[in-house]
Amino acid sequence: GENVEQHPSTLSVQEGDSAVIKCTYSDSASNYFPWYKQELGKGPQLIIDIRSNVGEKKDQRIAVTLNKTAKHFSLHITETQPEDSAVYFCAASFKLGNEKLTFGTGTRLTIIP
Amino acid sequence: DSGVTQTPKHLITATGQRVTLRCSPRSGDLSVYWYQQSLDQGLQFLIQYYNGEERAKGNILERFSAQQFPDLHSELNLSSLELGDSALYFCASSTTSPDTQYFGPGTRLTVL
Repeated sequence: GENVEQHPSTLSVQEGDSAVIKCTYSDSASNYFPWYKQELGKGPQLIIDIRSNVGEKKDQRIAVTLNKTAKHFSLHITETQPEDSAVYFCAASFKLGNEKLTFGTGTRLTIIP
Repeated sequence: DSGVTQTPKHLITATGQRVTLRCSPRSGDLSVYWYQQSLDQGLQFLIQYYNGEERAKGNILERFSAQQFPDLHSELNLSSLELGDSALYFCASSTTSPDTQYFGPGTRLTVL
């Protein structure tokens, strides 16, 4: 089955700096890669997603890049703000098949004011 | 707010007991997914229903079962509870299947 590895497990950055979180997946048939943000006491919130026919996607301060050949994808957050502090999860799934999401182990991002 | 609701928010029970967790998907969503989040296992897919029918199964224990009703709400039943079942249980929904999944706020289950 699919396996998703996520690094780093914790990340601290100064407010205003950029943060990068990386994930690798094992199943080359995976074609959908969402990122979720989870704040304390809340459910995962979708922040951005990318499909395998796209190499990069941007939404304001957040971007995701996908390298299908290397089977890895990354989340980039620019101009970080204190409200970006949370746990971030990457996930992968094979759509048009088993639609379950396989999640990475999470990255705890702390923004230092 | 994702539009997915889950009740109860917290549940405390004893080993050997049975509990039912409830999920109401976003309006119009046909598909419901259940996930378990624990400290040692992370977020794990349990089961998916689409328009009342089971669509996919993950590492769901035989003591656990789920169903989706005609009004599209779903229930996850956990029986013969063990200490290790203590976790956050999330429901997610999507408009169709496959599609983007939106998560509810979760139910925190504590088994004593």
